[in-house]
Amino acid sequence: DQQVKQNSPSLSVQEGRISILNCDYTNSMFDYFLWYKKYPAEGPTFLISISSIKDKNEDGRFTVFLNKSAKHLSLHIVPSQPGDSAVYFCAAFKGGNQFYFGTGTSLTVIP
Amino acid sequence: DTGVSQNPRHKITKRGQNVTFRCDPISEHNRLYWYRQTLGQGPEFLTYFQNEAQLEKSRLLSDRFSAERPKGSFSTLEIQRTEQGDSAMYLCASRLLQGRNTIYFGEGSWLTVV
Repeated sequence: DQQVKQNSPSLSVQEGRISILNCDYTNSMFDYFLWYKKYPAEGPTFLISISSIKDKNEDGRFTVFLNKSAKHLSLHIVPSQPGDSAVYFCAAFKGGNQFYFGTGTSLTVIP
Repeated sequence: DTGVSQNPRHKITKRGQNVTFRCDPISEHNRLYWYRQTLGQGPEFLTYFQNEAQLEKSRLLSDRFSAERPKGSFSTLEIQRTEQGDSAMYLCASRLLQGRNTIYFGEGSWLTVV
């Protein structure tokens, strides 16, 4: 049962433009959400997170938006850079133990 | 660098052999997690420890898999009688229970069973 879903396996964006990566979840008990970035043959690297009491969190070029009523979050990267090309995973947490991950979106930023 | 450390980074083994992976978490992180990732999938939870206690195991963790964290510091994940379906990246992560709800991953250990 996939509680966190990333329905777009891949995304291509021109350098300098905005990248928008989407994530949906099914469990309304999730209260903390995270985005990780992963390069091939490496472990995921934490990028940015948001608590369910907020609807937006910004860190430099990265902004995460949370829409609790729609059970949807998105990661905006602006401006996109070639070094942003990687697989992005969203993850959700509801206290206790597990972090649940989506299947990832592969972002390609075209120079 | 005091991040999560995993070794070996790569392991090729013949079907039926046993393999062991080691994880050294970030110092003082009391929670340690093992995840598995295959191509095209996100990390899948296997098990986690709080200090030396193994608190939860996924049904993905068959009886051929065993994990330990004997002194509440480093952890080992052993796979006995490996099968080709065990080929994956095994990821270790850690977090501080009282800290932010964020887990930090190591670089992973690639297992190829031939």
